[in-house]
Amino acid sequence: DTAVSQTPKYLVTQMGNDKSIKCEQNLGHDTMYWYKQDSKKFLKIMFSYNNKELIINETVPNRFSPKSPDKAHLNLHINSLELGDSAVYFCASSQGTVMNTEAFFGQGTRLTVV
Amino acid sequence: GQQVMQIPQYQHVQEGEDFTTYCNSSTTLSNIQWYKQRPGGHPVFLIQLVKSGEVKKQKRLTFQFGEAKKNSSLHITATQTTDVGTYFCAGPRVVTFGTGTKLQVIP
Repeated sequence: DTAVSQTPKYLVTQMGNDKSIKCEQNLGHDTMYWYKQDSKKFLKIMFSYNNKELIINETVPNRFSPKSPDKAHLNLHINSLELGDSAVYFCASSQGTVMNTEAFFGQGTRLTVV
Repeated sequence: GQQVMQIPQYQHVQEGEDFTTYCNSSTTLSNIQWYKQRPGGHPVFLIQLVKSGEVKKQKRLTFQFGEAKKNSSLHITATQTTDVGTYFCAGPRVVTFGTGTKLQVIP
């Protein structure tokens, strides 16, 4: 059983399109995250949800909209895709307590905008 | 905002040599975590350090948290080809990740 699964693994799309990436965790964690990893491998947090509530919203264009239908799912919808959105997007989850924030990552979604 | 820098950015070592990466934060950290990302893979949790001056070992890996809780290090003794990857430190609640150190091991 995969603990954190995200789909699709690869996504190639044209500029201007709208796309979604789905993420599900079966660990019973309260907190889920989206990260963007660029070509230089820098990992930047985009969003964090705790029990379906948005708790972190970094400086991300509002073309990116997270949606958490329940605490096991955190999807990422991207409108009007741009070339600069090309990156690997990771979903992760953790218990989210102050002293235990071990994060479990999904396999990543490699988004290529052409 | 909090910034976490890591040095070096890249390191090539001969198999069997030691390797160290350093993580420096602009602010005091309540805890710090370390992750390893293999090429083409996803970050995998290695360890969390909480106490000032804490030292933890995992086989050939030694992790240290500075006395002021603003820096940390990961030392690998006698590297092996399986150690290849990028090593990241992360601040509390995994909000801020370090810039990463990419390790290449030459057999």
